[in-house]
Amino acid sequence: KAGVTQTPRYLIKTRGQQVTLSCSPISGHRSVSWYQQTPGQGLQFLFEYFSETQRNKGNFPGRFSGRQFSNSRSEMNVSTLELGDSALYLCASSLQGAPGYEQYFGPGTRLTVT
Amino acid sequence: AQSVSQHNHHVILSEAASLELGCNYSYGGTVNLFWYVQYPGQHLQLLLKYFSGDPLVKGIKGFEAEFIKSKFSFNLRKPSVQWSDTAEYFCAVLNNAGNMLTFGGGTRLMVKP
Repeated sequence: KAGVTQTPRYLIKTRGQQVTLSCSPISGHRSVSWYQQTPGQGLQFLFEYFSETQRNKGNFPGRFSGRQFSNSRSEMNVSTLELGDSALYLCASSLQGAPGYEQYFGPGTRLTVT
Repeated sequence: AQSVSQHNHHVILSEAASLELGCNYSYGGTVNLFWYVQYPGQHLQLLLKYFSGDPLVKGIKGFEAEFIKSKFSFNLRKPSVQWSDTAEYFCAVLNNAGNMLTFGGGTRLMVKP
């Protein structure tokens, strides 16, 4: 079974631009979560989607948004990029997104904002 | 709010040494606990998990962890490390709804050959 895939793997953007990252979960998984990984803040939860609905959101500004499609694929968008948005963005999928179910992570998208 | 603390930020060991990485969590609900590993240049991989039952859980590559409820701990152990265990290790707790992981700050392990 194919793992979680994320595209693109690397991205360089300029301050003020916007960016869209894509995540394809493991086949059959309905929950998709997004995390930001930085050297200073570590791994932080952004949001989680299940059946096209956002069920949980972390403590990030409204510039960070996401959505999930009917095939469970998910995208996250960051508008008005800031230097501090430079990070590795990780997507994780889970069969149910419920207690007793683990999350499987993709390779991440490395975003650099200049 | 849930939180996870990993006390060792950097650990350096020689091959064949024993490993124990500390993890303490703060969470009032039913605990689902995990250890993930991130090898250099690779993605986060699940090492082991605890949902319920036997508090001593075994994972891949000879790793194990013990859930001690009274101490709010979930320490990772390996009797004899190898150079290939060089990686960053993350402890995490899942929230009650099962849709959000809270991670510790990570422990960078370097194993000298």
